[in-house]
Amino acid sequence: GAGVSQSPSNKVTEKGKDVELRCDPISGHTALYWYRQSLGQGLEFLIYFQGNSAPDKSGLPSDRFSAERTGGSVSTLTIQRTQQEDSAVYLCASSARTGTGNEKLFFGSGTQLSVL
Amino acid sequence: KNEVEQSPQNLTAQEGEFITINCSYSVGISALHWLQQHPGGGIVSLFMLSSGKKKHGRLIATINIQEKHSSLHITASHPRDSAVYICAVTEMNYGGSQGNLIFGKGTKLSVKP
Repeated sequence: GAGVSQSPSNKVTEKGKDVELRCDPISGHTALYWYRQSLGQGLEFLIYFQGNSAPDKSGLPSDRFSAERTGGSVSTLTIQRTQQEDSAVYLCASSARTGTGNEKLFFGSGTQLSVL
Repeated sequence: KNEVEQSPQNLTAQEGEFITINCSYSVGISALHWLQQHPGGGIVSLFMLSSGKKKHGRLIATINIQEKHSSLHITASHPRDSAVYICAVTEMNYGGSQGNLIFGKGTKLSVKP
């Protein structure tokens, strides 16, 4: 597609359930980022993939969070045993080339996760 | 730890006014991004800059590396400019990845007709 695609756009789940959020970056973009925006809060870095390098997981808030990127393209963010504080908008972005911080970011429209 | 501070937090302007939003950060960076987030959540990258000045339409972004400061200007503001404007930086951190953006809390702009 032309832009970064995220699915689902909305997800309501019960506390304790696992959820999977998907991101399909722009074709050819080697860098992929996951961010989180909680209600009334700023954006928070979660994880960064760059090509075949080991991902930077330094932003993941707990070991309940994990992410993978298969074939250098689609990425899945998994949250196990969801908690109410996980409720947020989860945003994915991608950029071309090396992801050094010097490339323009393209954002998906996000997944609104609500944990009841 | 790099702190990214934006000012003002909220800004209300009349249509046609010249608007300035400021961003300051505390340590060395390799790049600074200005993002726009409209109600409903979609985020658009406006500028990425590491020095000097960039212009796109009515938007101008400047950065002063020595002073660790950037400004976003909007000329001839319009109600459709109403959004949250977010500053984000990539630290010049040789110990970690350069994908870790640090975000300011955003400036909420409302332009009245």
